[in-house]
Amino acid sequence: KAGVTQTPRYLIKTRGQQVTLSCSPISGHRSVSWYQQTPGQGLQFLFEYFSETQRNKGNFPGRFSGRQFSNSRSEMNVSTLELGDSALYLCASKSGGDNEQFFGPGTRLTVL
Amino acid sequence: AQSVTQLGSHVSVSEGALVLLRCNYSSSVPPYLFWYVQYPNQGLQLLLKYTTGATLVKGINGFEAEFKKSETSFHLTKPSAHMSDAAEYFCAVSDWYNQGGKLIFGQGTELSVKP
Repeated sequence: KAGVTQTPRYLIKTRGQQVTLSCSPISGHRSVSWYQQTPGQGLQFLFEYFSETQRNKGNFPGRFSGRQFSNSRSEMNVSTLELGDSALYLCASKSGGDNEQFFGPGTRLTVL
Repeated sequence: AQSVTQLGSHVSVSEGALVLLRCNYSSSVPPYLFWYVQYPNQGLQLLLKYTTGATLVKGINGFEAEFKKSETSFHLTKPSAHMSDAAEYFCAVSDWYNQGGKLIFGQGTELSVKP
């Protein structure tokens, strides 16, 4: 099976812009979670989607949003980018009945 | 609320020596516990997990961890370090309600292996 894929792998934006990141889960996996990784704050949970519904949400401002499509692919959007949004954004997928998450390689976002 | 504390942001061992990475958790409900490894410019790879059952869990690459409820710990060990073990290691907690989703991570421990 192909693993979790994330596109793009690298992205450079300027403050105030918005960005959309994409995640394709492992075939058959219906749960997709997003995490932000920074040197200062470490790995932080953003949100989880299951069957197109947001199931869990972390403590991030409303500028961070996501959605999941009927094929389980997920997108994450960040509006009005700030310098502090520079991070590695990781996506993970898992099947509904299992508890093991499989991570993608991440999207490295740099905000200038 | 759940939380994870990893003692030591950097650990250095000699090749062939014992690896011990410490993790303590806090959870008001029975936890699911995980150890992940991250190599530079890569995502996270699961080393091992504890959900229920046997408290000594064996994972990939010779790693193992023991769930100790009384100590709220889940320390990661490997009897003999290899150069390829140099990476960052993350301990994480979830719970039955979240079915392994919504992982709460520790701050990570960077492992260096000296020849």
